[in-house]
Amino acid sequence: AQKITQTQPGMFVQEKEAVTLDCTYDTSDPSYGLFWYKQPSSGEMIFLIYQGSYDQQNATEGRYSLNFQKARKSANLVISASQLGDSAMYFCAMRDQAGTALIFGKGTTLSVSS
Amino acid sequence: KAGVTQTPRYLIKTRGQQVTLSCSPISGHRSVSWYQQTPGQGLQFLFEYFSETQRNKGNFPGRFSGRQFSNSRSEMNVSTLELGDSALYLCASSASGGFSYNEQFFGPGTRLTVL
Repeated sequence: AQKITQTQPGMFVQEKEAVTLDCTYDTSDPSYGLFWYKQPSSGEMIFLIYQGSYDQQNATEGRYSLNFQKARKSANLVISASQLGDSAMYFCAMRDQAGTALIFGKGTTLSVSS
Repeated sequence: KAGVTQTPRYLIKTRGQQVTLSCSPISGHRSVSWYQQTPGQGLQFLFEYFSETQRNKGNFPGRFSGRQFSNSRSEMNVSTLELGDSALYLCASSASGGFSYNEQFFGPGTRLTVL
């Protein structure tokens, strides 16, 4: 069965520092997609970045990058130069085998202080 | 382009009642998915509809049901509410239903409290 594991319940960082949020996954599918979402206290899920299993390069979107290590089945999110507005819950997710649903990890709460 | 809208945003019900939540996808999107988020269980997939047909279903009891209309708007219904149904219910829309990186969008959610 597919599974996403996020082992860091909470992370604390100061403004302008970089932070890495961990995500490991388990799937037997050779083709899969991994997602990271941000959920502020308002509740809405905001898409951050996507990595396909066959993508040759690690995904990058602005201050967000994904450290994808396929052999280790890890897809860690790196946020460079943290900002106060980055304080939120972060979820790693992958598509299910049907391809129409997302399986989420438990999430990591990121707190950025000044 | 308007985003995904969910109504109502907040809802308080008592045990045993039923509730209907609504989701309007982005114009042109034909797939709507529903998720339940609780502190204990996290985010869990409920079901997905595409062109009025349920294509995928999560592991929830039959008290949870949904439907999709011809205009792609979707409703989910929970009958005989239990305290454990208190959650944030999120709706997501996509053009085709496949969650590729550039076509999935979530609504703000409906926060349901069961007393």
